[in-house]
Amino acid sequence: AQTVTQSQPEMSVQEAETVTLSCTYDTSESNYYLFWYKQPPSRQMILVIRQEAYKQQNATENRFSVNFQKAAKSFSLKISDSQLGDTAMYFCAFMKEHDKIIFGKGTRLHILP
Amino acid sequence: GAVVSQHPSWVICKSGTSVKIECRSLDFQATTMFWYRQFPKQSLMLMATSNEGSKATYEQGVEKDKFLINHASLTLSTLTVTSAHPEDSSFYICSARTGSTGNQPQHFGDGTRLSIL
Repeated sequence: AQTVTQSQPEMSVQEAETVTLSCTYDTSESNYYLFWYKQPPSRQMILVIRQEAYKQQNATENRFSVNFQKAAKSFSLKISDSQLGDTAMYFCAFMKEHDKIIFGKGTRLHILP
Repeated sequence: GAVVSQHPSWVICKSGTSVKIECRSLDFQATTMFWYRQFPKQSLMLMATSNEGSKATYEQGVEKDKFLINHASLTLSTLTVTSAHPEDSSFYICSARTGSTGNQPQHFGDGTRLSIL
């Protein structure tokens, strides 16, 4: 069975700093997808970034980028120039083809003014 | 972008009553819908997966007679919490997608806060 592990329950950084959220996963699949979702206090689930396992190039979306290490089964999220609006719960998630999304336990990120 | 509407956003009801939550895909056909439950400060726990026109597939430990899921059309799925009790109080979130590959993202509703008195 696939598992997703986020080892940082909570983090705090100053506004404008860069922060990296860790995520590891376990799977025997070769084709799968990885996601980072953001859940702000409003509790809406927002897709931040997506990575296809067959792509070696790390995905990037504006200030958000990932470091995808397939052999190490690691998928960290880097937030550059952090903003107050980045304060939220961040979930790392895994999905194999034609299947459901499995979420990690989440990392609560606080951006401090 | 794709929109999933979930209704109601907040419901309070007495113990023993049944509560229905609706999940609608407004601008796309959702072949698959998912229902999650989220306790405070915890992750999303998948309750069941429903495909249009088929019976829902429940995750282990989820009582299918307690949480009735109907996915009668490509734009609507409902979750009915039957004979609700205080322990059923939680945040319920639905999501929907077209197809089953990772290239077709899951779109989430805004959730329903259920409080059973």
